[in-house]
Amino acid sequence: DSGVTQTPKHLITATGQRVTLRCSPRSGDLSVYWYQQSLDQGLQFLIQYYNGEERAKGNILERFSAQQFPDLHSELNLSSLELGDSALYFCASSVVPGGTEAFFGQGTRLTVV
Amino acid sequence: GQQVMQIPQYQHVQEGEDFTTYCNSSTTLSNIQWYKQRPGGHPVFLIQLVKSGEVKKQKRLTFQFGEAKKNSSLHITATQTTDVGTYFCAGQGAAGNKLTFGGGTRVLVKP
Repeated sequence: DSGVTQTPKHLITATGQRVTLRCSPRSGDLSVYWYQQSLDQGLQFLIQYYNGEERAKGNILERFSAQQFPDLHSELNLSSLELGDSALYFCASSVVPGGTEAFFGQGTRLTVV
Repeated sequence: GQQVMQIPQYQHVQEGEDFTTYCNSSTTLSNIQWYKQRPGGHPVFLIQLVKSGEVKKQKRLTFQFGEAKKNSSLHITATQTTDVGTYFCAGQGAAGNKLTFGGGTRVLVKP
């Protein structure tokens, strides 16, 4: 158990809908990362937060947004969903943004039908 | 932007043999990390390399960071079925920048 909690584990929704994925980082970790992993693909960096502030942005679509709340949990919002958004979404956390290992949650498997 | 590439994408290994996976960054890195993802699982941290030319070992795994801090390698000796999974390298630029993952090397072991 990495200590990072992601909910829900599985999500099936229709095209055009909006969903919210939730991540609770490890206790004491201030930095949160979101990654997208499509079937048999690598980990595409989406966005990073540190202590509530956006720290770095990757290839995140405009239909996607995220935030980190004062209690350090983070949410990833995906809207106007398309079939191609079906993927495994991982959240990871680390103590600080750089130079330390990242602990990954179990992921949320999103299926858009 | 920073890009991290890994080769090979797939590695079929006979049990007991050795293999190496390589990681190359388009920019100089402050550190590089390696992760392993078992089938159906999530990435799990293996190791971090920080110094130029650094070599670290974990049992049958040997990790190396290049002198220019732009490439790295993972060498596994006497491969076992427990080594099955995808090995990712992840590079970080200036401290605090995003952790960019390579595409991974998927390792399949033939008993």
